[in-house]
Amino acid sequence: ETGVTQSPTHLIKTRGQQVTLRCSSQSGHNTVSWYQQALGQGPQFIFQYYREEENGRGNFPPRFSGLQFPNYSSELNVNALELDDSALYLCASQMVGVPDTQYFGPGTRLTVL
Amino acid sequence: KNEVEQSPQNLTAQEGEFITINCSYSVGISALHWLQQHPGGGIVSLFMLSSGKKKHGRLIATINIQEKHSSLHITASHPRDSAVYICAVRPGGGADGLTFGKGTHLIIQP
Repeated sequence: ETGVTQSPTHLIKTRGQQVTLRCSSQSGHNTVSWYQQALGQGPQFIFQYYREEENGRGNFPPRFSGLQFPNYSSELNVNALELDDSALYLCASQMVGVPDTQYFGPGTRLTVL
Repeated sequence: KNEVEQSPQNLTAQEGEFITINCSYSVGISALHWLQQHPGGGIVSLFMLSSGKKKHGRLIATINIQEKHSSLHITASHPRDSAVYICAVRPGGGADGLTFGKGTHLIIQP
C-alpha cells in the first residue's frame, strides 16, 4: 500500500467534454506529480505541484491544468477532450524529508470516445 | 532532450533463471528509479539510485553514472515476478518530473 488513492478508477467521456481526476495522498506528501500513460508506452510527465503551486511542467497543452489542496489532495483537469487523451493517468506523491521516493496511485483509466 | 532506453522490450524466461534488464539514458540525472507495473496499472517503486548498487531480497539494481547505464537483476526468478519493469530518471535540477523508459515486459514461466 502506497497510501495514495485515485478516483475514479475508470471513466468514459466523449470528445470535447471536460474531466476532473482526483488524487489523495497521505499527510506530509507535499509534492504531487501527474503522468499520462498511453497504452504500451511509459508514463509521460504532465506537471508537478509543490505546496499548492505548479513548479514543473512537461510538454502538455494548457487545457491540462491542476490544483493541489492543503489536505494533500490534488486534481487534474482536462478540457476539450481529444481521442488521444485516452490513457491511464497516474499521480505520484513525495514525502517531506524522503528525497525522491515516489509513491504512485493506482491510476485512472480514461477513455475518450 | 532526455531519452531513456530499455532493453529488452520483452523477455520470457523459465522459473529460476537469472534476469537482467538494462536502462541507458542520455543526460545528467539526480536519481534513477526502477519501478514495477502489474496489469491494471498499479506502479510500485522498487529502487531509487543515485550511485552504486542496492539489493532488496532477490532484486539487485546497479548504476554507472559515468556510462549513464543501470541494470536491474532478478535472481531465482519466479512467476510472480512477471510484470512490466520500468526505468525512470529525474534530470539534474529536480522539478521536471521523471522521464520514463517504455518498460520491459517480463514473463516468467513455471
